[in-house]
Amino acid sequence: AQSVTQLDSHVSVSEGTPVLLRCNYSSSYSPSLFWYVQHPNKGLQLLLKYTSAATLVKGINGFEAEFKKSETSFHLTKPSAHMSDAAEYFCVVSGSSGGYNKLIFGAGTRLAVHP
Amino acid sequence: EAQVTQNPRYLITVTGKKLTVTCSQNMNHEYMSWYRQDPGLGLRQIYYSMNVEVTDKGDVPEGYKVSRKEKRNFPLILESPSPNQTSLYFCASSQSGIANTGELFFGEGSRLTVL
Repeated sequence: AQSVTQLDSHVSVSEGTPVLLRCNYSSSYSPSLFWYVQHPNKGLQLLLKYTSAATLVKGINGFEAEFKKSETSFHLTKPSAHMSDAAEYFCVVSGSSGGYNKLIFGAGTRLAVHP
Repeated sequence: EAQVTQNPRYLITVTGKKLTVTCSQNMNHEYMSWYRQDPGLGLRQIYYSMNVEVTDKGDVPEGYKVSRKEKRNFPLILESPSPNQTSLYFCASSQSGIANTGELFFGEGSRLTVL
């Protein structure tokens, strides 16, 4: 079975400093992994995805994530935080249940960005 | 504009009073799904539909019903709401193959409170 664990429920950074949001996954086969972002009072939006091509994946708004199979991790990073990055971020793994492909969401990490 | 539209966005109701949350997408997507979001739990799938007249249970279907009579619409029905169904609900759609593409398009959410 597939599962995903986001290691921090809250992360707080200062504007202009790096962002690291941590995600570990468990999968019995080579997974597809995704990060979604949810801004306040909005729906979720796909930030980036890994589907077994390049292990370093670039997404929107300067975010990127690196797939590390040996560590079963897919951490999200950004070199320099902006105030507009304040949001909740979800790590997501694709799974299979009874032949149906589904997305399994982590519990989320709330990112706060301070001036 | 491509979008998923949910209504109502906010609703306060009382135990046992039937309600329906509507969802409509204008992207001709085959796949539609309902999720609930609760603090610390991420998003959990309630029901999904692979196409018209094809629906199936997700991880937390108890207390909910759905129908898919038209491709664009996927209403969520709470026949007899209870306080434990107080939550933030999201409708989402995808063309197909979500396991690989991971791209779900989300509505802006419906916040339901059951007293």
